[in-house]
Amino acid sequence: QVQLVQSGAEVKKPGASVKVSCKASGYTFTSYDINWVRQATGQGLEWMGWMNPNSGNTGYAQKFQGRVTMTRNTSISTAYMELSSLRSEDTAVYYCARGADYYAGWGQGTLVTVSS
Amino acid sequence: EIVLTQSPATLSLSPGERATLSCRASQSVSSYLAWYQQKPGQAPRLLIYDASNRATGIPARFSGSGSGTDFTLTISSLEPEDFAVYYCQQRSNWPPLYTFGQGTKLEIK
Repeated sequence: QVQLVQSGAEVKKPGASVKVSCKASGYTFTSYDINWVRQATGQGLEWMGWMNPNSGNTGYAQKFQGRVTMTRNTSISTAYMELSSLRSEDTAVYYCARGADYYAGWGQGTLVTVSS
Repeated sequence: EIVLTQSPATLSLSPGERATLSCRASQSVSSYLAWYQQKPGQAPRLLIYDASNRATGIPARFSGSGSGTDFTLTISSLEPEDFAVYYCQQRSNWPPLYTFGQGTKLEIK
């Protein structure tokens, strides 16, 4: 079955960077886009960007342009999302999600806490 | 950027009742509209894609309709497990950019 397994929780200081991984299994990794969505506690879903694992092409929400980088390692079917210059407002659960127009598969989420 | 506005913010109903949730786009999104259900502590689950197609395994009591700028998610007869937060999501044509609505909380009355 399709599975997306994300890396564990992270605690970072303001100004640092965080890199979250998303390992795919149960399907051909390069056949579906990977998107990243975050959710602050008690808040709604916020789309961050997409990556085509086959080509490596990416598209980012304007809000995150210049701070986010999405990459992949096709040999281990894993996608990565790196967010830099972290601030307290970046404290959230970060999800990877599989799909182009819509997301039928989601990772379990990774809590990133930004605190001094 | 296309903005999705969901209404109402909170909907209080009883099991067995019919739920109607609205999602309005600031400009036409054609039929690139999806609906998700999210329960506390869980990742969202896809319910409806392309405005009216039920995702795999989704019960028939869930239905979606609409096109252009106005969309509706209907739950014909609420089950206890349906009380959750619902989000709509759209994809713009090119470049592919996505946005979510702010969510509708469906709570037990």
